[in-house]
Amino acid sequence: DAGITQSPRHKVTETGTPVTLRCHQTENHRYMYWYRQDPGHGLRLIHYSYGVKDTDKGEVSDGYSVSRSKTEDFLLTLESATSSQTSVYFCAISGDTQKGTQYFGPGTRLTVL
Amino acid sequence: QQQVKQSPQSLIVQKGGISIINCAYENTAFDYFPWYQQFPGKGPALLIAIRPDVSEKKEGRFTISFNKSAKQFSLHIMDSQPGDSATYFCAASKNSGGSNYKLTFGKGTLLTVNP
Repeated sequence: DAGITQSPRHKVTETGTPVTLRCHQTENHRYMYWYRQDPGHGLRLIHYSYGVKDTDKGEVSDGYSVSRSKTEDFLLTLESATSSQTSVYFCAISGDTQKGTQYFGPGTRLTVL
Repeated sequence: QQQVKQSPQSLIVQKGGISIINCAYENTAFDYFPWYQQFPGKGPALLIAIRPDVSEKKEGRFTISFNKSAKQFSLHIMDSQPGDSATYFCAASKNSGGSNYKLTFGKGTLLTVNP
């Protein structure tokens, strides 16, 4: 999986609790992305990062925040989880020379009760 | 506003047959068109990709056909095998500044190849 790990791989939490998902890469790639995957919606971009401390919003960013303090780590935080955030979350990475090619991690299945 | 439309949603093919999945896009700024393959419980994996300066790209049993004027591209899987059973996503990418390219995905096609 192109040197990408995600943790945790599975999580069950309750509505209103904060949740942080972690993506770790060993490829030293500049760009990192967070997607959510839901049946009937495909993959939708939540946030992305184009360098340490440089992040921007994707198409479904409401209710999510991100941080990137090191090249290798990209964190996704749900400040107050809601049932609509039950989903599978994927991290992806891309390098400067790869022009659109993104490599995905194994995913985190999050259930918000 | 769905920028990449993928069809069909599901597809059943017999072993040895040809699987065809179609995608259409709206934004002419897209300049990179990858296809991803995803098995249950796994992340999407890049299968094959094409740029708009060519009309076809073949890698083994997988071929992308690209029609720039019609803004359509398709994935053909020749001699389909049960091991090809997976969900396939088309995507389109455009430069978002510097060397950052954001992908827009189709909604996916669940392919089942019967033995």
